[in-house]
Amino acid sequence: DAGITQSPRHKVTETGTPVTLRCHQTENHRYMYWYRQDPGHGLRLIHYSYGVKDTDKGEVSDGYSVSRSKTEDFLLTLESATSSQTSVYFCAISSLAQVSEAFFGQGTRLTVV
Amino acid sequence: TQLLEQSPQFLSIQEGENLTVYCNSSSVFSSLQWYRQEPGEGPVLLVTVVTGGEVKKLKRLTFQFGDARKDSSLHITAAQPGDTGLYLCAGVRLRTNAGKSTFGDGTTLTVKP
Repeated sequence: DAGITQSPRHKVTETGTPVTLRCHQTENHRYMYWYRQDPGHGLRLIHYSYGVKDTDKGEVSDGYSVSRSKTEDFLLTLESATSSQTSVYFCAISSLAQVSEAFFGQGTRLTVV
Repeated sequence: TQLLEQSPQFLSIQEGENLTVYCNSSSVFSSLQWYRQEPGEGPVLLVTVVTGGEVKKLKRLTFQFGDARKDSSLHITAAQPGDTGLYLCAGVRLRTNAGKSTFGDGTTLTVKP
């Protein structure tokens, strides 16, 4: 299995509070991604990174920010959590851009109450 | 509009039956991936198809990429309860920014003993 760890695995937070999810990899892969998965919507890309300090928006980036200061860590921040951000969040890593074979973490279940 | 349309959305069959799952688009893809996801886990890569018309086999699973690289299918022969899960197709569109992979909404397969 690819070395990719998400933390925390579960979190309950209140509306309006900031939340940071962490993704850590030991594979030295260049590309890292954050997705959210909701019933009826499959996996939707939030943000991705193609190198240290190089990030770009995905299809559902509003309300989220990311940072990548080291190759191995990719942080996803919800500046002010809302109930619509209740979801399961997956981090993924990939070494190839156009082929995009991704290895996924086990997910973080976030509940905003 | 979903870029990758998967069908059927749900499929429930008896052990030993054959099935086919489809992934269709109006766009051309540089590659397509198939993943399987079990409850509480992240998606796991099954296969990547790159060349139009390509057929790949993985034990009882057969994957095909359409000649025009706009669609793909997954055929399972003699399904077993262990095949139960969510099957997702994903791909990178031709000439898309590096790393922006799109996922279909998935097919939930249940194989009854």
